[in-house]
This record gives sequence, C-alpha cells and structure tokens, in this order.
Amino acid sequence: GAVVSQHPSWVICKSGTSVKIECRSLDFQATTMFWYRQFPKQSLMLMATSNEGSKATYEQGVEKDKFLINHASLTLSTLTVTSAHPEDSSFYICSAMQRVYSTDTQYFGPGTRLTVL
Amino acid sequence: KNEVEQSPQNLTAQEGEFITINCSYSVGISALHWLQQHPGGGIVSLFMLSSGKKKHGRLIATINIQEKHSSLHITASHPRDSAVYICSVAHMDSNYQLIWGAGTKLIIKP
Repeated sequence: GAVVSQHPSWVICKSGTSVKIECRSLDFQATTMFWYRQFPKQSLMLMATSNEGSKATYEQGVEKDKFLINHASLTLSTLTVTSAHPEDSSFYICSAMQRVYSTDTQYFGPGTRLTVL
Repeated sequence: KNEVEQSPQNLTAQEGEFITINCSYSVGISALHWLQQHPGGGIVSLFMLSSGKKKHGRLIATINIQEKHSSLHITASHPRDSAVYICSVAHMDSNYQLIWGAGTKLIIKP
C-alpha cells in the first residue's frame, strides 16, 4: 500500500524555538493532507486540512500563526510550530489522501513526538 | 454522545486468546479505519473498510454498514499485540475528515 513518512519521528526543543515537521507521501501524490494532534491519553484531534497550492483550513481553536502549514508540492506538507512552549508538547500525526479513479484512501504517517522544554 | 464509540476501553487478556474490539458510529460514513498505536506513540494503519471483511495475518476487521458497527479481531493474541487500537470514520459529508474513537488499550499477558 501507499506509504506516508514523517520527519523527524521525535524532537526535543527549547521553549521559544520553532520546529518544522515534514509529512511526505512516498509513492503517490496527495492533493490533500491532514494534520492531527494527540494529547496524552486522548484521541486524535484534527488541526488542519492542507491542500496543495492553497492555504490550509484550520479547525476552530487552532492558532494559524502558531501552527504554520505549507503544502508546497503534491508529496510534501510541513507543519511548523512557531515559538514553541511546553504546552505544545504533543504527538503530531499527518495523513495523506490518495485518489485512485474516484476512490479516496487516507494513509497515515507514523507520527512525530514533540517535547518542548 | 460521541459519534464514534469503542468498546471496551481497556482489555487485558492472556496470550493466545481471541480478541474482539468493537466500534459503533452514528453518522453516515464513506470509510472506517482501524489503527494501532504502540506505547511510543507510533501509528500503524491496519485496515480501511467500506464494506464486508478484511484479513491480514492474525487480524480480521469486519463492518456492517446497516448496523453502523465494526469489529477488529485478533486471533492467537501475542504480547506484541499490546497497543492502543483506534477506530476512526470518514464522515460522508465532511470532506473525508475523520472522526476518532477514544481507543481501546489492549494488554496481552504472556
């Protein structure tokens, strides 16, 4: 099946720095990618929908200026956590949508664990 | 009431037991996903279903669209199957964005 990778798989950074997380569809083109966040012991929460070549659509309560999303190509979307704070520590997961004929299938990346000190 | 309900929330079983995890949903869907999340957090996509049944190794997933219900079965369970299993559905009317279940924490004891 299709593969989605995320890089890095984990990152530790100091408070106030910015962190970029990459999501790549390795063997297919994805016009749509999604970014999720998971708090400890909680389910995943959709943060934003990323469409190639256009601005991301953010869910209510997600700060656009805090979580910058760039979907510059059909195989790459990036999430940048700007001026990270300890409360941004979380598990971030992306998924990419593959369309084959008229069927959409969503494939998940393995996730990135962010720890902000 | 959550739109996606999983049961049980926690499950502990002995190695070799047959495991069933259930997922019920209340919305119209275009697809249902089963994912596995290990203690380190890594997500593995197990199945995507829109009808019927799928099998991969010791894992079997079924879905009944009319009853809005899906089950994930693990045969001959093993300690390495210990993980959180998450059900999520793609809402038919919301651009394929997913609605997530809370997850089922499975522990298989040797």
